[in-house]
Amino acid sequence: GNSVTQMEGPVTLSEEAFLTINCTYTATGYPSLFWYVQYPGEGLQLLLKATKADDKGSNKGFEATYRKETTSFHLEKGSVQVSDSAVYFCALSDPVGGGFKTIFGAGTRLFVKA
Amino acid sequence: SAVISQKPSRDICQRGTSLTIQCQVDSQVTMMFWYRQQPGQSLTLIATANQGSEATYESGFVIDKFPISRPNLTFSTLTVSNMSPEDSSIYLCSAKWQGGGYTFGSGTRLTVV
Repeated sequence: GNSVTQMEGPVTLSEEAFLTINCTYTATGYPSLFWYVQYPGEGLQLLLKATKADDKGSNKGFEATYRKETTSFHLEKGSVQVSDSAVYFCALSDPVGGGFKTIFGAGTRLFVKA
Repeated sequence: SAVISQKPSRDICQRGTSLTIQCQVDSQVTMMFWYRQQPGQSLTLIATANQGSEATYESGFVIDKFPISRPNLTFSTLTVSNMSPEDSSIYLCSAKWQGGGYTFGSGTRLTVV
């Protein structure tokens, strides 16, 4: 079945450090891939998405590239800020193999220190 | 993208009682979903709410415990019935909009005492 695996947290970085959160997936069809962010005490917000191989999603300085050959969708940001402290969820939606529901990874908590 | 208003945002309930959570979408959407996020965990899909028919439940979730209504294309409710402390979680609704994305409500933080 479909699944998402992302690196365990927490990840602790200093402000302006480079961020990578790894995400790999398994899917039977051709999924769309997403990164969601959850700030403390809030619901989920869509951060970025990619719908086909080699697409790059980007938003607020974050980027992720859909790599079909490695079944990965790693999240990167060149210079993190304290305000980026949150939990990040990698997710997929596979209409062919999994219907329209979204499958989430376990989440990675990011702490950014000033 | 669609915008979802979810309420209540939080509640503290006595065990044995029921709570109904509402989600209102600002545009018509074909598919709505209900998720549970237990403390420190990821999101688990409870059910898909279908307009005009019964909800489709995931393994481990049953209609008697989590009845869902979807009377039209912009509204859905989830009821958490006969609550116990194990039901303490964040409950989120989600909608799939025509552009292909998914929007989430802000969540309902439920504490059962």
